[in-house]
Amino acid sequence: EIVLTQSPGTLSLSPGERATLSCRASQNIKSNYLAWYQQKPGQAPRLLIYGASSRATGIPDRFSGSGSGTDLTLTISRLEPEDFAVYYCQQLETFGGGTKVEIK
Amino acid sequence: QVQLQESGPGLVKPSETLSLTCTVSGGSISSYFWSWIRQPPGEGLEWIGYIYDSGSTNYNPSLDSRVTISVDTSKNQFSLKLSSVTAADTAVYYCARYSNYGGNSGGWYFDLWGRGTLVTVSS
Repeated sequence: EIVLTQSPGTLSLSPGERATLSCRASQNIKSNYLAWYQQKPGQAPRLLIYGASSRATGIPDRFSGSGSGTDLTLTISRLEPEDFAVYYCQQLETFGGGTKVEIK
Repeated sequence: QVQLQESGPGLVKPSETLSLTCTVSGGSISSYFWSWIRQPPGEGLEWIGYIYDSGSTNYNPSLDSRVTISVDTSKNQFSLKLSSVTAADTAVYYCARYSNYGGNSGGWYFDLWGRGTLVTVSS
């Protein structure tokens, strides 16, 4: 069973800054099987990135995904106020533990 | 557009069975996989299981002995039953569509979610 470990647990940044979130798999995964989700308080998760690097419908281009093998990354190029949320990676039926991006 | 809505009791007693239904509106339940995912308060996401419109299922091994997911295509609904619940089953329960992107070489993603419903297990 694959385990997805996300780091850091919490990222404290200011609007306009760049956010880099990591998702490490316990074994090599097909990178095109990895997704990223955004969850705001009181809301359901929303699919952001699929296939490691493809943006889902309606997702702004400041969100980008990269990586392969066991190390995948979600980058938010310039944080907007609405981007402060929790982000999860997912591969098939397994989710990572999440990274909270909070306002510094 | 397709929307999902969970419904069911918000309070269940310990040792009883949790029952939830997800209604799919704006589109057909056919030809897709449909899933249940839960999130304990302040914690991460846990996949519970999924079902295809044919009725074939796959469950999280950690919950397999207590979970039943069924589908009613005539009502465009699928349902979750979780038996012998304890306080550890207190969570927001989401229904979601589990979709394949890219065919045989593509991945599987939860691309549509309901708003979620909080189920508390307490006497």
